[in-house]
Amino acid sequence: DGGITQSPKYLFRKEGQNVTLSCEQNLNHDAMYWYRQDPGQGLRLIYYSQIVNDFQKGDIAEGYSVSREKKESFPLTVTSAQKNPTAFYLCASSAIVGQAFYNEQFFGPGTRLTVL
Amino acid sequence: AQSVTQLGSHVSVSEGALVLLRCNYSSSVPPYLFWYVQYPNQGLQLLLKYTSAATLVKGINGFEAEFKKSETSFHLTKPSAHMSDAAEYFCAVSDKGYQKVTFGIGTKLQVIP
Repeated sequence: DGGITQSPKYLFRKEGQNVTLSCEQNLNHDAMYWYRQDPGQGLRLIYYSQIVNDFQKGDIAEGYSVSREKKESFPLTVTSAQKNPTAFYLCASSAIVGQAFYNEQFFGPGTRLTVL
Repeated sequence: AQSVTQLGSHVSVSEGALVLLRCNYSSSVPPYLFWYVQYPNQGLQLLLKYTSAATLVKGINGFEAEFKKSETSFHLTKPSAHMSDAAEYFCAVSDKGYQKVTFGIGTKLQVIP
């Protein structure tokens, strides 16, 4: 079955630690995204990537970093510079059809990060 | 810039009653519009999408939405609520050819037996 996997499902971090969240897709999608979800705030875009070895900052990129070395993988690192990292993190992907992609996004099951 | 407003962060309906979740959008060009559903501690699942083919869009689980350009709205409806519809619903907008999707803050639907 094609889809998006995220691991781990639950992650606990001590203050001052960097942690990396995994996101893998086998949908052969070009674009991948990371969102942060907090209660009452909807989804906020952290980073996105349309092609291997290229990515752009979203609306709340400070304290986060990403890489896109393979088409199917888009890991997110939450650094110690992120002051309030406790949240639910969602990875998504979408196909790009020519120049007019309409961005139907497919989501992974999410990772809940808690800072101890 | 594109934006989405979802009216009502919490909506309660009785089982069997009409479900109406409101969404208004702002976009400088003809938009693509989406409704997603999220169950607790899970990712989002696409319910339906508007991509200019038809103004009345039917989705999964009996949901449908109507695109009204004059009202800049894309409200989600279901004739008869089921207990399994209890979830959080997100409206989203994407400009054609634009890489990013903007999500609303979500509406939590409670279904009362």
